[in-house]
Amino acid sequence: AQSVTQPDIHITVSEGASLELRCNYSYGATPYLFWYVQSPGQGLQLLLKYFSGDTLVQGIKGFEAEFKRSQSSFNLRKPSVHWSDAAEYFCAVGAQSQAGTALIFGKGTTLSVSS
Amino acid sequence: DAGVIQSPRHEVTEMGQEVTLRCKPISGHNSLFWYRQTMMRGLELLIYFNNNVPIDDSGMPEDRFSAKMPNASFSTLKIQPSEPRDSAVYFCASSVGQGGVSGPQHFGDGTRLSIL
Repeated sequence: AQSVTQPDIHITVSEGASLELRCNYSYGATPYLFWYVQSPGQGLQLLLKYFSGDTLVQGIKGFEAEFKRSQSSFNLRKPSVHWSDAAEYFCAVGAQSQAGTALIFGKGTTLSVSS
Repeated sequence: DAGVIQSPRHEVTEMGQEVTLRCKPISGHNSLFWYRQTMMRGLELLIYFNNNVPIDDSGMPEDRFSAKMPNASFSTLKIQPSEPRDSAVYFCASSVGQGGVSGPQHFGDGTRLSIL
């Protein structure tokens, strides 16, 4: 069955420290991978996506993610976390299709940033 | 640029009442998605449309839920009759095909629905 697992429900990181949020997926076809961020009371904002090509993708707000097919992982990283990064982060996987990509989301990881 | 617009932002109603959620996708986008978010189940896809045609409605919980997309700029999600377990945040998202594949989905701010 297709699924996305985010093993960490909640992570606390000190401001200025590095961050890595884990994401593992189970998907039969070539995956189309995303990371979204959700601030309280807001919708989801796309951070970055992987479609094909270079397995290290850069996103907005200084985030990057690396696709590792052998590990079925797509972990999100940031070298130095800012207090404004505190939010909930979702990893998602979908099929590459012209007719819309129905996404399967992980349960999310809540990031807290301590000063 | 205007993003995905959802209305209302909040809805509180009594059990048994009809609820209609509305969504205006980004102009030019040809795919529209309805999701439901709860603490217990996370984000679940309910239904999605491509070029106004429903493609996959397997996530719609039961017959009380229905969705329509009468034109490229408007979609509704209706619950009739509503039940307390329908309380959730409902998101609408849209995307456009790019180079043979669907582009990333852009989300609205959601409708927070409370059924008493």
